[in-house]
Amino acid sequence: TQLLEQSPQFLSIQEGENLTVYCNSSSVFSSLQWYRQEPGEGPVLLVTVVTGGEVKKLKRLTFQFGDARKDSSLHITAAQPGDTGLYLCAGGMKTSYDKVIFGPGTSLSVIP
Amino acid sequence: DTGVSQDPRHKITKRGQNVTFRCDPISEHNRLYWYRQTLGQGPEFLTYFQNEAQLEKSRLLSDRFSAERPKGSFSTLEIQRTEQGDSAMYLCASSLLAGSNTGELFFGEGSRLTVL
Repeated sequence: TQLLEQSPQFLSIQEGENLTVYCNSSSVFSSLQWYRQEPGEGPVLLVTVVTGGEVKKLKRLTFQFGDARKDSSLHITAAQPGDTGLYLCAGGMKTSYDKVIFGPGTSLSVIP
Repeated sequence: DTGVSQDPRHKITKRGQNVTFRCDPISEHNRLYWYRQTLGQGPEFLTYFQNEAQLEKSRLLSDRFSAERPKGSFSTLEIQRTEQGDSAMYLCASSLLAGSNTGELFFGEGSRLTVL
């Protein structure tokens, strides 16, 4: 059973388009993180959200944590080829000493 | 380099052999995680430590897998009697847990296992 679900699984868009990636769960998380991973490398943290309803912006990326702390979204404006990669959401589980688990990822390809 | 380091980077072994991976976390980090990742998928939780204590081991993990962090510093992950299904990238990550904030996970470059 996947505790964290992500959608879509794959996304291929043209440069300049906007996109949103979703991360959903039936569990409540103490915090939720978004990572980006490139082939052959480990994931790298983009952002951590802690408070329900929190919105954080990182240049062209906007992250939102759901009010109930069970879901999150990542919105990218005017995607660029450099945004290509595997986007992973990860949650700290309140019921398990804040163990961090990952979703299955969204593979994004931005075509020039 | 003060990042997370893993050794070896690549390991090819025959089915039935034992393999051991080592992870050296960032020195002041109290949490250490092991994950397994297959191509195009997210990291699958295997086990984690706070200092030298192993807090949890995935129920999906067979008894062939064991991990240690003897002095709360480096960690080893051993797979006994390897099977072809064990072929994957094994990722180690460390973090500094402060209160209930999980902190940023810093990953090593991974150890890629191929079982023939």
